[in-house]
Amino acid sequence: QKEVEQDPGPLSVPEGAIVSLNCTYSNSAFQYFMWYRQYSRKGPELLMYTYSSGNKEDGRFTAQVDKSSKYISLFIRDSQPSDSATYLCAMSPLGGSRLTFGEGTQLTVNP
Amino acid sequence: EPEVTQTPSHQVTQMGQEVILRCVPISNHLYFYWYRQILGQKVEFLVSFYNNEISEKSEIFDDQFSVERPDGSNFTLKIRSTKLEDSAMYFCASTLTSGDTGELFFGEGSRLTVL
Repeated sequence: QKEVEQDPGPLSVPEGAIVSLNCTYSNSAFQYFMWYRQYSRKGPELLMYTYSSGNKEDGRFTAQVDKSSKYISLFIRDSQPSDSATYLCAMSPLGGSRLTFGEGTQLTVNP
Repeated sequence: EPEVTQTPSHQVTQMGQEVILRCVPISNHLYFYWYRQILGQKVEFLVSFYNNEISEKSEIFDDQFSVERPDGSNFTLKIRSTKLEDSAMYFCASTLTSGDTGELFFGEGSRLTVL
């Protein structure tokens, strides 16, 4: 079983739609949960960072972590064409120095 | 906004040649990392570095790989004898505090093509 599983998509939505991106994981030691955005041939850019369970909101983005289900989500409200990118979930254990990434979900927001 | 810078952006090399990829982390950061991403695959951890020594490395980071912080600003990844399967995008990253890997800032990457 993969440590982190993420549906690679592709996912295509109309502008203004609510987008839901998800990852599941198997390692109970993961405590930090992140979402990165990656444009083609660029480095990952940190979007959201959550410690342990709960919700975190930042503008149009909401990250949710459910540790009991080993499931994390990223919601994008009022999606824009500029949101078109690959979204990577990543996680690490407490005190750990390595991130484990999902495969990334390719999102296209159509005008 | 401070950023991690990497050079070269693209390097083409022959199999068996040595390659050095360079990174300038964010100036007040203390923890440095290399990740790689083979085309179409996930981003994978290679190595973390703190206080002039490796703190953790993955199974990918074998004897062909080494890292160094030769001065106060640069952080390098050396591949001694490149193989075809080393072709990938290599990302340098840095963070300010230990264990706070969520606040990891990545560079734009160095694309390595091994022929």
